[in-house]
Amino acid sequence: GAGVSQSPSNKVTEKGKDVELRCDPISGHTALYWYRQSLGQGLEFLIYFQGNSAPDKSGLPSDRFSAERTGGSVSTLTIQRTQQEDSAVYLCASSLGQKDTQYFGPGTRLTVL
Amino acid sequence: DAKTTQPNSMESNEEEPVHLPCNHSTISGTDYIHWYRQLPSQGPEYVIHGLTSNVNNRMASLAIAEDRKSSTLILHRATLRDAAVYYCIRHSNYQLIWGAGTKLIIKP
Repeated sequence: GAGVSQSPSNKVTEKGKDVELRCDPISGHTALYWYRQSLGQGLEFLIYFQGNSAPDKSGLPSDRFSAERTGGSVSTLTIQRTQQEDSAVYLCASSLGQKDTQYFGPGTRLTVL
Repeated sequence: DAKTTQPNSMESNEEEPVHLPCNHSTISGTDYIHWYRQLPSQGPEYVIHGLTSNVNNRMASLAIAEDRKSSTLILHRATLRDAAVYYCIRHSNYQLIWGAGTKLIIKP
């Protein structure tokens, strides 16, 4: 596709379960970003990838959160032992380079019961 | 890393110009000012960005104060489809630093 895609679009899980969120960036974009958006709030930066490496993981809220990117393309954000406060929309964006315009996917709405 | 500050909401009539203000008094000299908008249940959409000079594109204009402590996004002729939350953002190196945004309401 032409844009950033994310899956699943919605995820409902029980407290304590692990979840994996997927992001497919725009082809050829070397930079990839994960953000989190709580209801009615602006976006909160989580992690940034340049190629397959993550120079900045400072936004990850706890060690239950991890992310990887393979082949300079698809990225997966994993949340272990989910908590209710993890409920939010998780957004992925990609850009040609780190200083270029970021293009966002539609997000994954995560609900932890 | 101070976030930008914007009014919580603004209203405008359809087909009239809209001026959305933003304060970024602690912005550094190399940070770009970006504007994105977000429609309900969608990811943010890029609108415009600038550093020091005013900028125009097909969607909007961006007027940046000479001291760079504030900027204004201008929609020249608002339509109902422009109703969204508009975010004024500091682009610091690779990171977009988001405020809470302005909810723009367009009245027919």
